[in-house]
Amino acid sequence: SQQGEEDPQALSIQEGENATMNCSYKTSINNLQWYRQNSGRGLVHLILIRSNEREKHSGRLRVTLDTSKKSSSLLITASRAADTASYFCATDSGGTSYGKLTFGQGTILTVHP
Amino acid sequence: GAGVSQSPSNKVTEKGKDVELRCDPISGHTALYWYRQRLGQGLEFLIYFQGNSAPDKSGLPSDRFSAERTGESVSTLTIQRTQQEDSAVYLCASSSWGTTSTDTQYFGPGTRLTVL
Repeated sequence: SQQGEEDPQALSIQEGENATMNCSYKTSINNLQWYRQNSGRGLVHLILIRSNEREKHSGRLRVTLDTSKKSSSLLITASRAADTASYFCATDSGGTSYGKLTFGQGTILTVHP
Repeated sequence: GAGVSQSPSNKVTEKGKDVELRCDPISGHTALYWYRQRLGQGLEFLIYFQGNSAPDKSGLPSDRFSAERTGESVSTLTIQRTQQEDSAVYLCASSSWGTTSTDTQYFGPGTRLTVL
């Protein structure tokens, strides 16, 4: 089963609105990463947050991590039509699993112009 | 510099045939990963290589799947006696190791495999 589970499964918003996606996971982690995928092909790395960090920003992206709740959220502010894509969280549990990412099912984001 | 490349981009094969998928990682990246993504699903880890260490094959779904890597460069994923359930996009990623950017994996565009 997938370590990470995103919700919602699909999100539809208007350009300019904010989009929030959530990810929950089951086991302890070394870090959690968010990726974007356009048209079902290659993934683009967005942001990585380590287990000892609580919040991280990158441009219009804001990621939070709550290790006590085993959850993370990705906020995209002032969304654009070009943000339309699938977004995945992936966890790295470290230790003997170091580098082996476990992905969630993804959130399909549609931003209407 | 060049990113991760994969070939072919699309492969259609008949059930029972063998296929080979190729991945060229980013130059200098010592770690290389293979993932599989079924339609509408997240990525499933298959195998990873790190330098000269024995590969972690724990994600390979059956003994029909195997992968090799030549030094720290090209990798091939081979699927023998393909089945329709093998239809998926196969994604390769690479990362550096032992640096501050170790944890970031850079993905190729994938190979879409269709087994008829």
